[in-house]
Amino acid sequence: GQQLNQSPQSMFIQEGEDVSMNCTSSSIFNTWLWYKQDPGEGPVLLIALYKAGELTSNGRLTAQFGITRKDSFLNISASIPSDVGIYFCATGMGNQFYFGTGTSLTVIP
Amino acid sequence: GAGVSQSPSNKVTEKGKDVELRCDPISGHTALYWYRQSLGQGLEFLIYFQGNSAPDKSGLPSDRFSAERTGGSVSTLTIQRTQQEDSAVYLCASSPGTLQVETQYFGPGTRLLVL
Repeated sequence: GQQLNQSPQSMFIQEGEDVSMNCTSSSIFNTWLWYKQDPGEGPVLLIALYKAGELTSNGRLTAQFGITRKDSFLNISASIPSDVGIYFCATGMGNQFYFGTGTSLTVIP
Repeated sequence: GAGVSQSPSNKVTEKGKDVELRCDPISGHTALYWYRQSLGQGLEFLIYFQGNSAPDKSGLPSDRFSAERTGGSVSTLTIQRTQQEDSAVYLCASSPGTLQVETQYFGPGTRLLVL
């Protein structure tokens, strides 16, 4: 099946630092999504992207839909302790849905 | 409640036993999805329902896995003759319409451990 390669796998940062993570695929998609999963919970949608080149913000989060339509980036500015969790990229086509392997973020106060 | 609920929240079973995992979607959501999340992995899409129908079952890992949905609401994922590799978190999601990945609302998951 389709693989979404997400990197980095994990990050340990100081509170206040900015964070960047990305997701790439071998196929072209028309939608890119970013989710956050807190421990013991299901993923929650953070940002949805629908157009190549699109840059969308949600508070301190900014995500971009790559021009090639094969990648996406998520940036978190001025990280805070509650940003801790696992971030997943996701996409879908037809009746199939794909999630990246996740980026585990730890914020050190 | 207003969100997707799943039960049980945790399940420990012995290898070879059958297990049933339940999902209660958000009221009025016509589509329902099952995913599997192995330790340290992303979500693996298993199956979706539009109403009570599952058009594509090819994502189920083996013939030991089956799912059904009744009354356009509750869904059950059944794993027969469980194996240790079935240990994972099984997540359910629902959405107002079909094939809308961005509007999928996830439940908290069922953590399955097969000994």
